[in-house]
Amino acid sequence: DAMVIQNPRYQVTQFGKPVTLSCSQTLNHNVMYWYQQKSSQAPKLLFHYYDKDFNNEADTPDNFQSRRPNTSFCFLDIRSPGLGDAAMYLCATSVEAGVSPLHFGNGTRLTVT
Amino acid sequence: DQQVKQNSPSLSVQEGRISILNCDYTNSMFDYFLWYKKYPAEGPTFLISISSIKDKNEDGRFTVFLNKSAKHLSLHIVPSQPGDSAVYFCAARETGTASKLTFGTGTRLQVTL
Repeated sequence: DAMVIQNPRYQVTQFGKPVTLSCSQTLNHNVMYWYQQKSSQAPKLLFHYYDKDFNNEADTPDNFQSRRPNTSFCFLDIRSPGLGDAAMYLCATSVEAGVSPLHFGNGTRLTVT
Repeated sequence: DQQVKQNSPSLSVQEGRISILNCDYTNSMFDYFLWYKKYPAEGPTFLISISSIKDKNEDGRFTVFLNKSAKHLSLHIVPSQPGDSAVYFCAARETGTASKLTFGTGTRLQVTL
């Protein structure tokens, strides 16, 4: 089955210790997104790639970076995690930007100790 | 400022009855609206969408209604089934921001026997 896969499902990191979350897709979609969802809050878009073009949201902290080495993979790097970065991180893809629905992975829950 | 609001955090409905989930928005530039369904430990999955040029879209047991003048949309599920128990997110896209969806905080639907 074509899908969006996020690894790991649960990630624990220490305050200030860099961490990388991974996302892969077998859908061959052009667009990949990273959303952050904190408890009882709405998912919030951090950034997205349209093919290799990186699009950062204006309010995404500099602490968050992303890499997309090829169509299938996208990484979220948190350079110096703070306690406030503990959240569910959702990766999503879509065929094209615009009206095509997003396909989400199952998320990675990040804990910062 | 929450541009997409789901004011009911939870809703309980008996099996076989109608479930109505509501969503309000404040941004008049939103032109496309989607509903996503999320089970525990899974990512959101696309359910149904509606363009701002329509006021109704139906797909099986699911119907979305859009009232642009009131900036309000609703998702109707008829008849409700226990498998519909999940968190439902309303999302909206702003004209000209092809890839960005703004999500609400979600409504947890519980369908009881």
